[in-house]
Amino acid sequence: DAGVTQSPTHLIKTRGQQVTLRCSPISGHKSVSWYQQVLGQGPQFIFQYYEKEERGRGNFPDRFSARQFPNYSSELNVNALLLGDSALYLCASSTYNEQFFGPGTRLTVL
Amino acid sequence: SQQGEEDPQALSIQEGENATMNCSYKTSINNLQWYRQNSGRGLVHLILIRSNEREKHSGRLRVTLDTSKKSSSLLITASRAADTASYFCATGTDNYGQNFVFGPGTRLSVLP
Repeated sequence: DAGVTQSPTHLIKTRGQQVTLRCSPISGHKSVSWYQQVLGQGPQFIFQYYEKEERGRGNFPDRFSARQFPNYSSELNVNALLLGDSALYLCASSTYNEQFFGPGTRLTVL
Repeated sequence: SQQGEEDPQALSIQEGENATMNCSYKTSINNLQWYRQNSGRGLVHLILIRSNEREKHSGRLRVTLDTSKKSSSLLITASRAADTASYFCATGTDNYGQNFVFGPGTRLSVLP
């Protein structure tokens, strides 16, 4: 079975631009979560979606938004990019307890 | 602030030795999970231990949980160079991944 997939793998943007990251969960998983991992730190929780509804939100500004589609895939959108948004963005899918992570999208903001 | 705090921040050992990493947390949890990350890539799930469990094994991994001390440890026995990675503990407060909080991680280097 395919694991969690994310696209794109790498992305370079400039300050002020907008970015959309995509995630496809493991088949049968209805929950998708997004995390931001800055270099040298642990992942920070951004959002969790279950059955297309937001179930949790971390301490991130409103520039960050997400949604989940009927097929349980998800998109993370970040508006008005700042240099500090440069990070590895991880998506995880889960069915119960265990979260399985994708390879991440490396976002660089110049 | 993060819930979990791993200790030590970095650990360097020789191949064949055992590696022990500790994780402390602050509030009540439903479960605690350990992950491995190689070179800034995706996280690999290693083991989950529930709050009513005290010890779990998986291959060369042994995880303990002491809810009275709010701490967990990950033991990797007979380490290999391929075990070189960052190890994170993450705590969950429910059964569905909500409020899942990671610590800053332990960087393990296994020298050949």
